[in-house]
Amino acid sequence: GQQLNQSPQSMFILEGEDVSMNCTSSSIFNTWLWYKQDPGEGPVLLIALYKAGELTSNGRLTAQFGITRKDSFLNISASIPSDVGIYFCAGQLNSGNEKLTFGTGTRLTIIP
Amino acid sequence: DTGVSQNPRHKITKRGQNVTFRCDPISEHNRLYWYRQTLGQGPEFLTYFQNEAQLEKSRLLSDRFSAERPKGSFSTLEIQRTEQGDSAMYLCASSLSVEAFFGQGTRLTVV
Repeated sequence: GQQLNQSPQSMFILEGEDVSMNCTSSSIFNTWLWYKQDPGEGPVLLIALYKAGELTSNGRLTAQFGITRKDSFLNISASIPSDVGIYFCAGQLNSGNEKLTFGTGTRLTIIP
Repeated sequence: DTGVSQNPRHKITKRGQNVTFRCDPISEHNRLYWYRQTLGQGPEFLTYFQNEAQLEKSRLLSDRFSAERPKGSFSTLEIQRTEQGDSAMYLCASSLSVEAFFGQGTRLTVV
């Protein structure tokens, strides 16, 4: 099935550094979601974006819905050890077509 | 805990056997989804229910797969005549609107 392109595929950063990752699609989505997944667990919802151009924050996380509706980015400021995990973007087409199309994931490793 | 609950967490089965997984969604959520996730990939959509009606099925859901949500509450996903390629994490999610909340998943290993 279709998967959105996420970059980078993996990141190794020092604790305290900021992180930036993005997600691109060849098709338009009307809602973008960002999830974090720990090993052996299900994805946990971090941020939801509903409108093109929207910038939304949740604590140290900031995400933006691209103007073209074909991309989104997620920033994490002042990283801490518990930020380690795999981050997935997901796009939803519209109400009435509820399924999510997920990205390929960005694996974040933090060096203490 | 009022989150999405999945059982079992792990299942090891021999090739050719049938398996059934259960998902209990968040109680007020009318929408329920099944996804499959293989190693190194993001979750892929399998099927979606609104209340008891199954509204969409992915091409990934072969004839050996069947999902039900008989009373619009819990759901089951059955795989018949399992194959090694069915080995994956099976994730259930529920929602009231756009924001879907996932369970911890059932990891299936077919040997």
